Amino acid sequence: QVQLVQSGSELKEPGASVKVSCKASGYTFTHYSINWVRQAPGQGLEWMGWISTNTGNPTYAQGFTGRFVFSLDTSVSTAYLQISSLKTEDTAVYYCARDLGIGQLITWGQGTLVTVSS
Amino acid sequence: QSALTQPASVSGSPGQSITISCTGTSSDVGAYNYVSWYQQHPGKAPKLLIYDVSNRPSGVSNRFSGSKSGNTASLTISGLQAEDEADYYCNSYAPGTTLVFGGGTKLTVL
Repeated sequence: QVQLVQSGSELKEPGASVKVSCKASGYTFTHYSINWVRQAPGQGLEWMGWISTNTGNPTYAQGFTGRFVFSLDTSVSTAYLQISSLKTEDTAVYYCARDLGIGQLITWGQGTLVTVSS
Repeated sequence: QSALTQPASVSGSPGQSITISCTGTSSDVGAYNYVSWYQQHPGKAPKLLIYDVSNRPSGVSNRFSGSKSGNTASLTISGLQAEDEADYYCNSYAPGTTLVFGGGTKLTVL
């Protein structure tokens, strides 16, 4: 079946970097874009942007430029989210989600909790 | 791009119907039929309930339905059940920003 499996929880100190993976299975990876969504503790969903799995071209939402990088390894059907210079306010669950075409997030990963604390 | 506006909370009794609104602008909700709705139970990933305003993915109960009028989209849940208690989010395509979410609505089944 179609699924996205994300890497496990991370505990990082401020200023460090983290790379979250999102491995797809059950469909042709390059046919559907991957979106990234952040959910801070007790807060709502926040769209971070998306990456075309066909071209590798990323699009970042306002507020997610500079320290956030989306990338792919199509040979293993995996998308990545890297966050550098981590801040305590980056503490959140990060989700990847497969897109049907225009924002219809049909399949979600289980989420990866990133905790930034000294 | 501002978030779409949803009521913070709604409630209903088992068997009743409830409606959750999602208000945007003429640049997003009002301009395109690309509104989706998601259900999220505590500690779980969101689940797509409705896409393109009123379409249900395979496997989603027909108790969930979507509609749109002007700049406001709506999610209606009929025959409310205890397991419907969850947070609900809308999102919409928004040129320039691409995608914007609503702030979320907590549904309580009384």
